[in-house]
This record gives sequence, structure tokens and C-alpha cells, in this order.
Amino acid sequence: LAKTTQPISMDSYEGQEVNITCSHNNIATNDYITWYQQFPSQGPRFIIQGYKTKVTNEVASLFIPADRKSSTLSLPRVSLSDTAVYYCLVGGNSGGGADGLTFGKGTHLIIQP
Amino acid sequence: NAGVTQTPKFRVLKTGQSMTLLCAQDMNHEYMYWYRQDPGMGLRLIHYSVGEGTTAKGEVPDGYNVSRLKKQNFLLGLESAAPSQTSVYFCASSYGRTLAYGYTFGSGTRLTVV
Repeated sequence: LAKTTQPISMDSYEGQEVNITCSHNNIATNDYITWYQQFPSQGPRFIIQGYKTKVTNEVASLFIPADRKSSTLSLPRVSLSDTAVYYCLVGGNSGGGADGLTFGKGTHLIIQP
Repeated sequence: NAGVTQTPKFRVLKTGQSMTLLCAQDMNHEYMYWYRQDPGMGLRLIHYSVGEGTTAKGEVPDGYNVSRLKKQNFLLGLESAAPSQTSVYFCASSYGRTLAYGYTFGSGTRLTVV
């Protein structure tokens, strides 16, 4: 998996849009970008995945610039329940290399009233 | 909609005791994984399985053993528990091995070794 760098923590307020950026300078041609969310005392939960440009689902949007060396997870109008740790992972779909996802420390997002 | 179920949810062991953590999935996934999560450390892969009857070592396998006798179950064993194994353990499963497939995690087992 490509090495990723993301902020250790972020703060925001209810109703705001939150953007978490992940840097992945060594991303390979066949790598996907995937974000997971982990609430306290729960396992991580897949929230969004993309390869290029923009992907949107009911939870979040993922913006990927043309060079793919970074990506931004966007959470619209956050609420207190969005307080969680967010992990950015980058890896390929070819099946080679180390097995199992490698999670870094993630970004601890704290939403305040 | 059970997904991945882990038992037990909590356990306290004395040093030297043994125990088995059970992970069960009902999604017919081929791949299953055991992770441990320690404060400030993210998740680290202990062992994984790419199919029934197969197991392989991950990043931190020492002190643990696993078995995958049935496709839906993946067991993690601690033969002689040590305080360093105090952690939260997560099981996950996936249809495919790589990042292109979403991984489904269980809710975790909080283990304390005293």
C-alpha cells in the first residue's frame, strides 16, 4: 500500500462542511483511494472509494485531482454523530503485495455544538 | 443483517491463561482477517486467511494462532496470555483480498490481561 499522510486531528462545528485531505505522493497507476470511518468502540466502516475525479454517495464526497497525489474527503453539514476517526488508504486491485489493509493513525474529527 | 460477529465482546484474563476469540461472517466472504488496535497505534494485522483451511501471518503474529476450519468462521487463539496482548481485537472479512473490495469489520473484542 502507498504511504499516506493525513492530519492527526481536526475540529469543526455542527452544520459546517468538513474537508479532510490525504497526501499519497507514491500512488501507483492501479491504486484506489478508500476512506473508512471508525466510531468509538466499533470497527472501521467503509464510507467511500474512488480512482479519479469525484465520487459522491449518501455519506460523503471524494475529490481526487488529476495527478492523484492527494485526495479530499468532504463531509457536508456535519453533526455531532460525525465525530470519529477517518482513515485514508491507498492500494491497488491487482492482488499482489502484503495482504490485509494497513491502517495508519487516521484523522480524529471532533464536531462541537 | 448480521455481517461479522465477534464473541466475546469483553474478557479479562490472567497472565498465562489461554482463550479463543471467535469471528463469524454470513456474507460468504473468502477472506478474513484479525487485527489488534492499541491506543495511538492504528490497526495492525495479526493473521489472515484467504479461504477455508488456509491461514497466513500478518504484521504482528507472535503469541497468536488462528484456524479457519469453516469458511464462515475464523478463530484467534492466545495460548499463554501476556499483558502486552491487552488490546481491542477486530475481525474483518472481504469478498476479495485487495483494496478494491470493501472490508466489513466486527464490533471488536476488548481483552485485558492482568
